Amino acid sequence: GNSVTQMEGPVTLSEEAFLTINCTYTATGYPSLFWYVQYPGEGLQLLLKATKADDKGSNKGFEATYRKETTSFHLEKGSVQVSDSAVYFCALSEGGRTGRRALTFGSGTRLQVQP
Amino acid sequence: SAVISQKPSRDICQRGTSLTIQCQVDSQVTMMFWYRQQPGQSLTLIATANQGSEATYESGFVIDKFPISRPNLTFSTLTVSNMSPEDSSIYLCSTSSGQNTEAFFGQGTRLTVV
Repeated sequence: GNSVTQMEGPVTLSEEAFLTINCTYTATGYPSLFWYVQYPGEGLQLLLKATKADDKGSNKGFEATYRKETTSFHLEKGSVQVSDSAVYFCALSEGGRTGRRALTFGSGTRLQVQP
Repeated sequence: SAVISQKPSRDICQRGTSLTIQCQVDSQVTMMFWYRQQPGQSLTLIATANQGSEATYESGFVIDKFPISRPNLTFSTLTVSNMSPEDSSIYLCSTSSGQNTEAFFGQGTRLTVV
């Protein structure tokens, strides 16, 4: 079956530091890959996505590249802000006959950015 | 994109009672999913609900405990039955469409069982 493994948290950084959150996956087919973010007390929001190998998803200064050869989708940001403090989830889904199947989530990584 | 309204947003319930969570989507969608997020944990899929057919449950989840309705293409409910403190979690509904590759989520229902 499908699975997603992401680095353990919490990750604590100072403002303007470089961020990397590692994510690797196992899938039987050709999944789409996602990063979701959950801010304190809020629901889950899509941060970025990539639907095929070598695609780069980007949003709000965050980037992740779909690497089929290493089955990875690492999240990066060049300069984090206090407002980026949240829990980040890596996820994948595969296409089904009637649409995308449910997401398989990683365990989540809590990011804390200190001023 | 799809906008999902989920209610209630939170509830505190007595042990042994049941709670029904409603999920309304602003467009017709083929598939709807229900997830559970236990405190400090990731999201776990409970079941997939397609309109006009029985929901498909994941391992560890049963219909008697989590009955689901999907009466039309814009609405679904999840009931948490005979609750115990172990059911305290955030429950989220989500949609997927044949035209989209991403999923959209409701705001979640934060359930506390006392």
